[in-house]
Amino acid sequence: QSALTQPRSVSGSPGQSVTISCTGTSNDVGGYNFVSWYQQHPGKAPKLMIYDVTKRPSGVPDRFSGSKSGNSASLTIFGLQAEDEADYFCCSYAGSHTVVFGGGTRLTVL
Amino acid sequence: EVQLVESGGDSVQPGGSLRLSCAASGFSISYYWMSWVRQAPGKGLEWVASIKQDGGDQYYVDSVKGRFTVSRDIVKNSVSLHLHSLRAEDTAVYYCAKVGQLPAAHFDFWGQGTLVTVSS
Repeated sequence: QSALTQPRSVSGSPGQSVTISCTGTSNDVGGYNFVSWYQQHPGKAPKLMIYDVTKRPSGVPDRFSGSKSGNSASLTIFGLQAEDEADYFCCSYAGSHTVVFGGGTRLTVL
Repeated sequence: EVQLVESGGDSVQPGGSLRLSCAASGFSISYYWMSWVRQAPGKGLEWVASIKQDGGDQYYVDSVKGRFTVSRDIVKNSVSLHLHSLRAEDTAVYYCAKVGQLPAAHFDFWGQGTLVTVSS
């Protein structure tokens, strides 16, 4: 049950695109198409942004996109906006009814 | 509208016990897996426990096995997390989360969290 690996921080200017990586193993990210991404603003509860690798819940802007290749998953945010500044966490099914989160990435909008 | 409201967080001494509750509304917990996720101060998210929609199976992260127990009350439409033998490293905000429509391994709704502080 080791945490997935994410960069501690990324940044971008308004209107630009940024990608956050999430690296696991064949026992989690690489083994299942159950990767999800959560956005968390300071002092707030996490919010689901992407699930099942690429799906967006109703209400999440299509600027948010998910993908996966091998043991790594990515969240790309197109057309950065000030309100996108937050912490982002990836999460993957890890078998036996367990999930594992990434350590989190702080996104700064310059 | 789906809502999850946690309660029960408190400050306790090491070795102590606590019971957290999560009141659900806008859906029936008898149709969904429910989970607890925690976040230590300034740290990332950690899955803690899950309970199957029929209540028959529970699953835990290794660090809490044998100390925490997740349960549910269909009548009250609520989920509980019983914490025993608490350690300093259990200090965190505990979130109740609803798992999405099966097959799923994501959390589509979260509560606002309740703070557990373990300190002497």
